[in-house]
Amino acid sequence: DAGITQSPRHKVTETGTPVTLRCHQTENHRYMYWYRQDPGHGLRLIHYSYGVKDTDKGEVSDGYSVSRSKTEDFLLTLESATSSQTSVYFCAISEKGTAEDTQYFGPGTRLTVL
Amino acid sequence: QKEVEQDPGPLSVPEGAIVSLNCTYSNSAFQYFMWYRQYSRKGPELLMYTYSSGNKEDGRFTAQVDKSSKYISLFIRDSQPSDSATYLCAMSANDYKLSFGAGTTVTVRA
Repeated sequence: DAGITQSPRHKVTETGTPVTLRCHQTENHRYMYWYRQDPGHGLRLIHYSYGVKDTDKGEVSDGYSVSRSKTEDFLLTLESATSSQTSVYFCAISEKGTAEDTQYFGPGTRLTVL
Repeated sequence: QKEVEQDPGPLSVPEGAIVSLNCTYSNSAFQYFMWYRQYSRKGPELLMYTYSSGNKEDGRFTAQVDKSSKYISLFIRDSQPSDSATYLCAMSANDYKLSFGAGTTVTVRA
């Protein structure tokens, strides 16, 4: 998985609790992304980062925040988890952030919010 | 209406058959077209990439783009059980923002 790890790989939590997912890369790529994957919707971008402390919103950012204090780590936080945030979350990285630049995906985190 | 439409299948074919997958899209600004393969419980991996219209071949895989019809296809020749996966189309106008189809699940029966 192109030197990308995600933790935890599985998590079950209750509505209203905060949750933080971690993405760690060893490729020194500048661009990092968080997606969610739901049946019938494919992958949808939540947030992305174009450098340390540089982040921006994606298509489905409501209810999520991110932080990137080091090149290798990109954190996704659900401030107060809701059942609609039950999903599989994928982190991705790319070197240049352009359309033709390949995005490499991590193994995913399966999150269940009860 | 979604920007990218993809038939979710599932699609089941015998080993050796040709698998045909397709996506339609509505955004005429899309110029970059990709196919990702995703095995069960894994992250997607890039399979094919095409810029603008035309065909691209890589081994048993052929990607076609018809921008006039806003239609892209992926063909897998001589399909193998190891090709059993979910195939996602993705496309972009001119930057990192990818619009994905919902994915088609393919099973190749031995």
